Amino acid sequence: AQSVTQLGSHVSVSEGALVLLRCNYSSSVPPYLFWYVQYPNQGLQLLLKYTTGATLVKGINGFEAEFKKSETSFHLTKPSAHMSDAAEYFCAVSDPSGGSNYKLTFGKGTLLTVNP
Amino acid sequence: DVKVTQSSRYLVKRTGEKVFLECVQDMDHENMFWYRQDPGLGLRLIYFSYDVKMKEKGDIPEGYSVSREKKERFSLILESASTNQTSMYLCVVVNSYEQYFGPGTRLTVT
Repeated sequence: AQSVTQLGSHVSVSEGALVLLRCNYSSSVPPYLFWYVQYPNQGLQLLLKYTTGATLVKGINGFEAEFKKSETSFHLTKPSAHMSDAAEYFCAVSDPSGGSNYKLTFGKGTLLTVNP
Repeated sequence: DVKVTQSSRYLVKRTGEKVFLECVQDMDHENMFWYRQDPGLGLRLIYFSYDVKMKEKGDIPEGYSVSREKKERFSLILESASTNQTSMYLCVVVNSYEQYFGPGTRLTVT
């Protein structure tokens, strides 16, 4: 069974500071990994994903994440936070072998607050 | 692009009512999922289907059932709605590592 743990339900940073949102997963097979962002009263939007190949993945809005197999982690970072980054972020994992037919398992989310 | 539509954006029902939430996709993808999203709990899987008339329970199936009579349509049924089923319901269509989200249905049970 897959599971996702997002450390910190609420992260607060100053504008211009580094953003680091943590995600650890458990999976019996090398997974596909995803980060989604949800702005207030909007749907989920894909930020970036890791499937195969390069372990450092770049996404939209200046975000990136690195897949570290040895640490079973997929932390999301952005060098300099902007006020518009304030949102809730979800990490998710799926089984690429088609097991459970690509079921997505989500973390509980991290609410990012950006202070001026 | 795959388009995923859900029958209602907002729905208000009374306790004990039977509620139908529908999800329709415009592509020929096999895998369809129903999640509910609640603050602090993320998205939790209720049921999924990988083919017509096929269904599997997710992590929180209690109080729900599903129907998939046609490939493009996946329905979530609340047999007797309860207040603890007040939530945002999301339909997701998956093709390998591509996921397509419906706009969501915000259900309030009073």
